Amino acid sequence: DTAVSQTPKYLVTQMGNDKSIKCEQNLGHDTMYWYKQDSKKFLKIMFSYNNKELIINETVPNRFSPKSPDKAHLNLHINSLELGDSAVYFCASSQESGVLTDTQYFGPGTRLTVL
Amino acid sequence: RKEVEQDPGPFNVPEGATVAFNCTYSNSASQSFFWYRQDCRKEPKLLMSVYSSGNEDGRFTAQLNRASQYISLLIRDSKLSDSATYLCVVNSFQKLVFGTGTRLLVSP
Repeated sequence: DTAVSQTPKYLVTQMGNDKSIKCEQNLGHDTMYWYKQDSKKFLKIMFSYNNKELIINETVPNRFSPKSPDKAHLNLHINSLELGDSAVYFCASSQESGVLTDTQYFGPGTRLTVL
Repeated sequence: RKEVEQDPGPFNVPEGATVAFNCTYSNSASQSFFWYRQDCRKEPKLLMSVYSSGNEDGRFTAQLNRASQYISLLIRDSKLSDSATYLCVVNSFQKLVFGTGTRLLVSP
């Protein structure tokens, strides 16, 4: 009964490959997010979706394309992976966007290593 | 200047000690403030929201000083299980901005 789940947990791949990370939340939340946490542990928002619509895109390279088939899912597809993409990617959800007193619930993270 | 700045630590304290973490933020229009906790190789989890009047939750006390754009977290009677990284989080331009975290190590 995990609230926010991500797959895979670990992803090791070669430079230039294309990969996807999946995220699902069963909390009935309207808003989902992708964050990147780099080797210095700095956690930074990448995207935010509210009811399948993109509301935040934080100057992320267009090699990163989020896709939200429904409000319970927000997947992240990455094209032409680069060494600098190595990081932990966290999915999160909250009840509403713009109401930032809402708690964000994070998934367990996907550790991406690009060789 | 980073939007949210914290002392990275680590803070090494014995069990039972009181420890305080500080955080400063740059966007004076920020309205919401939080402390999250992140254990090693785990996801961040909300520890507590920070209210203007200050708030307490058991051994944890959070305070906000809007004039100085400063947030603090006080942990009393530290437990071994408090060892983690504490992330100061501020809403800025309608998104959450995380500090890099302060690492706390509580030893027996």
